[in-house]
Amino acid sequence: GAVVSQHPSWVICKSGTSVKIECRSLDFQATTMFWYRQFPKQSLMLMATSNEGSKATYEQGVEKDKFLINHASLTLSTLTVTSAHPEDSSFYICSARDPARVVGYTFGSGTRLTVV
Amino acid sequence: AQKVTQAQTEISVVEKEDVTLDCVYETRDTTYYLFWYKQPPSGELVFLIRRNSFDEQNEISGRYSWNFQKSTSSFNFTITASQVVDSAVYFCALGLYNNNDMRFGAGTRLTVKP
Repeated sequence: GAVVSQHPSWVICKSGTSVKIECRSLDFQATTMFWYRQFPKQSLMLMATSNEGSKATYEQGVEKDKFLINHASLTLSTLTVTSAHPEDSSFYICSARDPARVVGYTFGSGTRLTVV
Repeated sequence: AQKVTQAQTEISVVEKEDVTLDCVYETRDTTYYLFWYKQPPSGELVFLIRRNSFDEQNEISGRYSWNFQKSTSSFNFTITASQVVDSAVYFCALGLYNNNDMRFGAGTRLTVKP
């Protein structure tokens, strides 16, 4: 149980375009999902907390207008990288908490974004 | 504020050697959870273990073992008789009971050579 599906697993886009990444909880409802970013050979850094039905909470230094998060249902959160630039190239990974577990964080398989 | 420190950036061992990955954490909360994840080259995070702050009992799972010591705020991970397939980046993470997010250490890149 507690499976999180993330799509796409990799994407290449041109500078200036937008890219949408989806994170779905397949067998549980997640009122909260998290988006992390990982640069090569670095740790995962929390970008934002996505709350179903309300605005996302962004970590300090993360541009909310650039990284749009939508959590319209209990099983889906999306991260849209708007007007992507090469410096946005990174590994993006989402996680969700299964409320049936005391502390249960399940991670998606990640999305490798390359902006050319 | 909570913080996780993995002082070992990279470790290289020869197959069949034992290796210990260190993790030191900081938090003012009395209820918290500690995790270890493995990240192979493919990128996904593989859950290895979760330990709550009230359970200091050490755990062994096959070749893996974990040593949790609250007195030193450490949660170290030992791989016995390492194998090439153990090569990956290993992350230690801290989760608070009243918060939702997790804080990760910088990770330790383990290379096991044949």
